[in-house]
Amino acid sequence: EAGVAQSPRYKIIEKRQSVAFWCNPISGHATLYWYQQILGQGPKLLIQFQNNGVVDDSQLPKDRFSAERLKGVDSTLKIQPAKLEDSAVYLCASRPFWFRDHRRRANTEAFFGQGTRLTVV
Amino acid sequence: AQTVTQSQPEMSVQEAETVTLSCTYDTSESDYYLFWYKQPPSRQMILVIRQEAYKQQNATENRFSVNFQKAAKSFSLKISDSQLGDAAMYFCAYATSGSRLTFGEGTQLTVNP
Repeated sequence: EAGVAQSPRYKIIEKRQSVAFWCNPISGHATLYWYQQILGQGPKLLIQFQNNGVVDDSQLPKDRFSAERLKGVDSTLKIQPAKLEDSAVYLCASRPFWFRDHRRRANTEAFFGQGTRLTVV
Repeated sequence: AQTVTQSQPEMSVQEAETVTLSCTYDTSESDYYLFWYKQPPSRQMILVIRQEAYKQQNATENRFSVNFQKAAKSFSLKISDSQLGDAAMYFCAYATSGSRLTFGEGTQLTVNP
């Protein structure tokens, strides 16, 4: 089974520029996450999608960050305009549907892409 | 809100020895899962082990095992016969139905030859 694909792997931009990241989750996974991970810290959730609907975007800086998940498959995360403090690794992850009956659950963990390392100068 | 706490920012172990990484969590849910992820310098998150809250038996995966204390909300990871390749950042994580996957701040593990 193919894993979670992310692109680009690396990006360097100047502050106030715009940037977009792309994620292709594992086929059939209902839930998609975008995390921001600053060096030395744990991943912080930016946004969570269930199919093509937003479940949680409470920690997304909406004045500059936006995300969408078209047709419940691929997703893009955009930053416009970027700030120096946006320098981080952006991780995309996907997870299968969570059945209420635990006997129907297969994998419950999230599968991660390799991340996009963003440097804002 | 669910929170995950890893109180050991750094740990070190001698090759072939055993080390235990600590994790505590806070939740009011009854149906949830706990995970340990490993993150090497490449930043790729790799699942090490998972624990279902409804199971009393502690999960084991080869040299990795957990001590799951549900009442105490504690979930520690034991690595036996440590290898140089085990050196990485380890994250404890919590997930429940429909909610975010919440991570701790991580423990940097160093393995000394």
